[in-house]
Amino acid sequence: AQSVTQLGSHVSVSEGALVLLRCNYSSSVPPYLFWYVQYPNQGLQLLLKYTSAATLVKGINGFEAEFKKSETSFHLTKPSAHMSDAAEYFCAVRTLTGNQFYFGTGTSLTVIP
Amino acid sequence: KAGVTQTPRYLIKTRGQQVTLSCSPISGHRSVSWYQQTPGQGLQFLFEYFSETQRNKGNFPGRFSGRQFSNSRSEMNVSTLELGDSALYLCASSQGGARETQYFGPGTRLLVL
Repeated sequence: AQSVTQLGSHVSVSEGALVLLRCNYSSSVPPYLFWYVQYPNQGLQLLLKYTSAATLVKGINGFEAEFKKSETSFHLTKPSAHMSDAAEYFCAVRTLTGNQFYFGTGTSLTVIP
Repeated sequence: KAGVTQTPRYLIKTRGQQVTLSCSPISGHRSVSWYQQTPGQGLQFLFEYFSETQRNKGNFPGRFSGRQFSNSRSEMNVSTLELGDSALYLCASSQGGARETQYFGPGTRLLVL
């Protein structure tokens, strides 16, 4: 079975600072990878996804993620944090032939003014 | 296109009762997945339906069941409710392929007293 590890259940950054949220997956074959964001009392919204095209993926709201096969990682970054980025972020994987999403446990991002 | 809709948004039930939650996917989407989200367990996959057939199932007891109709709308039923079933239940729809994005609804928050 797939597993997804998000290091750091809580991350705090200052407004304007770099955001780095970590995601590692376990798979012998590079899967499809996704980052979702969840605001309080809402569903999940797709930020970006990797589906075996360019390894550097740009998403909405200035976020991007880089797929690194050798490190089995798909870390999410944003150069400059904004107050509105405070939310819960989830990394998810789906295998090339699988029909199930596997989600990480989430990282709660706090942005300090 | 309208997004994924879930009804009701909030629900209060007592132990032993049963509940039915409804999900209407994005038009044209044939896959509907259900997830349970709790603070302690995170996002857990319940099951996925594709073209009225259950295609995948998570590790939940038989009290949790679902179905999908010919118009792709889906319902989820939980019988003999337990306190631990209190959670946010999220529905997600997609076109069904492994690389396809899952689009989430706002969720139904269930409280079991």
